[in-house]
Amino acid sequence: AQKITQTQPGMFVQEKEAVTLDCTYDTSDQSYGLFWYKQPSSGEMIFLIYQGSYDEQNATEGRYSLNFQKARKSANLVISASQLGDSAMYFCAMSSSSNTGKLIFGQGTTLQVKP
Amino acid sequence: DSGVTQTPKHLITATGQRVTLRCSPRSGDLSVYWYQQSLDQGLQFLIQYYNGEERAKGNILERFSAQQFPDLHSELNLSSLELGDSALYFCASSEGLGSYNEQFFGPGTRLTVL
Repeated sequence: AQKITQTQPGMFVQEKEAVTLDCTYDTSDQSYGLFWYKQPSSGEMIFLIYQGSYDEQNATEGRYSLNFQKARKSANLVISASQLGDSAMYFCAMSSSSNTGKLIFGQGTTLQVKP
Repeated sequence: DSGVTQTPKHLITATGQRVTLRCSPRSGDLSVYWYQQSLDQGLQFLIQYYNGEERAKGNILERFSAQQFPDLHSELNLSSLELGDSALYFCASSEGLGSYNEQFFGPGTRLTVL
């Protein structure tokens, strides 16, 4: 069975510092994608970053980077230079070649950025 | 703005009633997914359509049904509503079917069953 685990229910970070949100996954598929989404208090789901299982380099999108360690089955999100607007719930998700692209989500991590 | 629209934004109804949630995918996207987000179950996949055909089913109750129309918009029908159906329902769309397809989410419909 495929599974996403986010072990940090809540995290705090000081403004302008970097923070790492953990995500581990479990799948027997060779081809899969890993995603991070941000959900602010307003409720919408905002796509942040994607990493394919065959991508050799870690994905980066502005202040977001994904620390992909395939052998350890981890896909941690790194947010650099945190801003107050980064305070939100963050979800790690996975889709794979065997499941038509549907996303399996972790339980989420609530991030609070302190001024 | 993701380009995915959902209506209505909020819906309050009573137990036993039936409601229809509507979703319009991003221009060019053929795949539509429905997800339910509740406090106790988290984010769960319900059902997926691709170019009008059902492609995958998740933890969708028999009281729930969906369809995708020729213009690619999709509707999720929830009937015989129960208190436990109160949740945030998301529609997402993507270009294709593969695991590499980014899914873009609509703003969600918050359903409250009283």
